[in-house]
Amino acid sequence: DAKTTQPTSMDCAEGRAANLPCNHSTISGNEYVYWYRQIHSQGPQYIIHGLKNNETNEMASLIITEDRKSSTLILPHATLRDTAVYYCIAALYGGSQGNLIFGKGTKLSVKP
Amino acid sequence: DVKVTQSSRYLVKRTGEKVFLECVQDMDHENMFWYRQDPGLGLRLIYFSYDVKMKEKGDIPEGYSVSREKKERFSLILESASTNQTSMYLCASSFAVGPTNEKLFFGSGTQLSVL
Repeated sequence: DAKTTQPTSMDCAEGRAANLPCNHSTISGNEYVYWYRQIHSQGPQYIIHGLKNNETNEMASLIITEDRKSSTLILPHATLRDTAVYYCIAALYGGSQGNLIFGKGTKLSVKP
Repeated sequence: DVKVTQSSRYLVKRTGEKVFLECVQDMDHENMFWYRQDPGLGLRLIYFSYDVKMKEKGDIPEGYSVSREKKERFSLILESASTNQTSMYLCASSFAVGPTNEKLFFGSGTQLSVL
């Protein structure tokens, strides 16, 4: 699975959009981009995933560049409860092969 | 909502003890996983199982074993606990439907301290 690179930390003001970038320049054509987050003292939580089209669900939007070498997770109206570590993962399978690699992620701090 | 339940939130054991960490999921998922999480190292996969009585080694299986006698339950066993097994242990489960719709559902974790 392709390696991903994320900033170590980011701040965001409450109520504003949080845009979390992820680089995956070696991603292969059939690898998906997955996003999970981990709120302090809890297990990771699935957010969204996509292959090449932009995706949106009730939690977030995922924007993947046309060349698929990078993506951005957007939390449209960040709240204090969105403070968490966000993991970007590029993988062929969603976990059934035991292949998801959770790196260090981006620590997002939402401030009042 | 899918629920993955880990039997203990905090556990303190002594070196050399046999330790059982239990995980139960209520959504009939085929796949179950055990990870450990340590500061600065991220999540590391210990073992996973894609069916009853089936198991596969993950990245760091040494010192651990697993048991899956029923579909909903996946146990992690530390045969002889050591201090370097002090960690947060996370259980997860997922459907086996391929990459287009697969998501991992995690439990809240068990913080194990081995003294």
